[in-house]
Amino acid sequence: NAGVTQTPKFQVLKTGQSMTLQCAQDMNHEYMSWYRQDPGMGLRLIHYSVGAGITDQGEVPNGYNVSRSTTEDFPLRLLSAAPSQTSVYFCASSSDSSPYEQYFGPGTRLTVT
Amino acid sequence: AQSVTQLDSQVPVFEEAPVELRCNYSSSVSVYLFWYVQYPNQGLQLLLKYLSGSTLVKGINGFEAEFNKSQTSFHLRKPSVHISDTAEYFCAVSEISGTYKYIFGTGTRLKVLA
Repeated sequence: NAGVTQTPKFQVLKTGQSMTLQCAQDMNHEYMSWYRQDPGMGLRLIHYSVGAGITDQGEVPNGYNVSRSTTEDFPLRLLSAAPSQTSVYFCASSSDSSPYEQYFGPGTRLTVT
Repeated sequence: AQSVTQLDSQVPVFEEAPVELRCNYSSSVSVYLFWYVQYPNQGLQLLLKYLSGSTLVKGINGFEAEFNKSQTSFHLRKPSVHISDTAEYFCAVSEISGTYKYIFGTGTRLKVLA
């Protein structure tokens, strides 16, 4: 199993550009989440999903969109990037048998100039 | 709403010495508790979790934590640290209501010195 994979690893965007951060898992996990990690602030939940077709907002959802058309994939879209979205983004997944045991991807480091 | 406080942003400790990383939480509902470790340039890895049962929880790499409901704490301990334990450690909580949403603390950077 590859586990949770994220692409790209690094990305630089200009203000106003859009992009999609990819997240995929091959463990057939129902639950998937997106977090951002900023210095001194820990991880904050952006959006999460409890299954294909079901998503909900976390603590800091503004400026981000998600969809979950398949169990495996959970992309995060930035529609109009802002410097405040400069961060490291982590995707995580967990199974419905152990929903509280999250597996994290390696992260995407995004810089918005 | 829940919150998690990790008062120590950095903890330096000599190799083979014991260490305690502190975590306090606040919640109006019952929560599950977790510790995660993040090695440089990597994602987070679950160290241990408290869901129910014994309040002393053992995890990977020789770490353990004790849930203290009266003090709303979940401190992480290791009796003898190694250089390889140098990493950032995050405490997290999640409501037991089934939302599966985590609230993380701000992290404690453990630096093990030779």
